[in-house]
Amino acid sequence: AQKITQTQPGMFVQEKEAVTLDCTYDTSDPSYGLFWYKQPSSGEMIFLIYQGSYDQQNATEGRYSLNFQKARKSANLVISASQLGDSAMYFCAMRELRAGGYNKLIFGAGTRLAVHP
Amino acid sequence: SQTIHQWPATLVQPVGSPLSLECTVEGTSNPNLYWYRQAAGRGLQLLFYSVGIGQISSEVPQNLSASRPQDRQFILSSKKLLLSDSGFYLCALLGQANSPLHFGNGTRLTVT
Repeated sequence: AQKITQTQPGMFVQEKEAVTLDCTYDTSDPSYGLFWYKQPSSGEMIFLIYQGSYDQQNATEGRYSLNFQKARKSANLVISASQLGDSAMYFCAMRELRAGGYNKLIFGAGTRLAVHP
Repeated sequence: SQTIHQWPATLVQPVGSPLSLECTVEGTSNPNLYWYRQAAGRGLQLLFYSVGIGQISSEVPQNLSASRPQDRQFILSSKKLLLSDSGFYLCALLGQANSPLHFGNGTRLTVT
């Protein structure tokens, strides 16, 4: 069965420093996608970055990059040059691509990031 | 662009009362639609998903049901709410296979 694990309930980082949020996954499907979402206190879910299981290079989106280690089944999010506005909950998610239009997305428990000035 | 409308934003309901949360989408056709619930300070739990009109799959046994009467409408219902139904309910859509899941703004439900 699919499983997403985020082992860090909370993380602290100093403003302008980089931080890594951990995510490991488990699936028997060779085709899958990995996502990171940010959830500020308002509750909205903001998509940050995507990595496909067949992608050869690590995904990057501005200050966000995904450290994808397929053999270890890990997909850590790296935020460079942290800003106060980065303080939020961060969720790792995995999607299995199946025939017939069925895409199932499951989420990890999340990591609460606090950026200190 | 794809847009998801969820209402109401907040809801306070007594135990035993019925529930109907509506989600409508724009800017896409035949999307996969999802209902998630998030308990306070917790992750997202997938409740239901739908790949088309009238096609509903339930992920966990519970007090809730879902329906998809139209391609762009997804409804979450309950006949009698329980205290444990309190939470933040999010509707989401998946337009294409490799696109991210887009979320609505959610409904915060408190059952008293």
